[in-house]
Amino acid sequence: GAGVSQSPRYKVAKRGQDVALRCDPISGHVSLFWYQQALGQGPEFLTYFQNEAQLDKSGLPSDRFFAERPEGSVSTLKIQRTQQEDSAVYLCASSLGPQETQYFGPGTRLLVL
Amino acid sequence: AQKVTQAQTEISVVEKEDVTLDCVYETRDTTYYLFWYKQPPSGELVFLIRRNSFDEQNEISGRYSWNFQKSTSSFNFTITASQVVDSAVYFCALKDSGYSTLTFGKGTMLLVSP
Repeated sequence: GAGVSQSPRYKVAKRGQDVALRCDPISGHVSLFWYQQALGQGPEFLTYFQNEAQLDKSGLPSDRFFAERPEGSVSTLKIQRTQQEDSAVYLCASSLGPQETQYFGPGTRLLVL
Repeated sequence: AQKVTQAQTEISVVEKEDVTLDCVYETRDTTYYLFWYKQPPSGELVFLIRRNSFDEQNEISGRYSWNFQKSTSSFNFTITASQVVDSAVYFCALKDSGYSTLTFGKGTMLLVSP
């Protein structure tokens, strides 16, 4: 079956622009996670959804970051007024449940100029 | 607090050599899960293995093997007879039972040359 998909794969934004990153999880997966991966580092947790409920957003670095999953399937990570430090790869993962193995998408590489 | 340490930043080997990637973890939880993921140049994290803290049996899958030792808080990964296609960044990750998210190490870049 299809894996996790993310779009766009690459995004170049001017500082101050708003961006929206999309994640399509594996069908039937109720848990969805967003991670941020800086160059040369491991992924770091941003936020977690169980169906449409955002159960943990402790990793969001500032109030410019906002995530939603309104129907419990597709999720969008929005970054407002992008800054250069937001440049990173944003990874989405999904799992059957919170304790199950997470499967990752290809990521969105964001470059803020 | 959870922590994963991958002390080897980069390893270079010649094809057919065996190579071991080290992973040391810290957690206060008695029940936890350990993972290895592979990240090829394309960027996608590919799941390799998951181990539960109560199962210390080592595992072999083809050329891959994993050595889990609770006494030293280590979960090392060995590739036997490495191949060029094994070149990638490998991440070790930890998840506590009561915590849904993964804590990753910084990764080890493996370069296998022909």
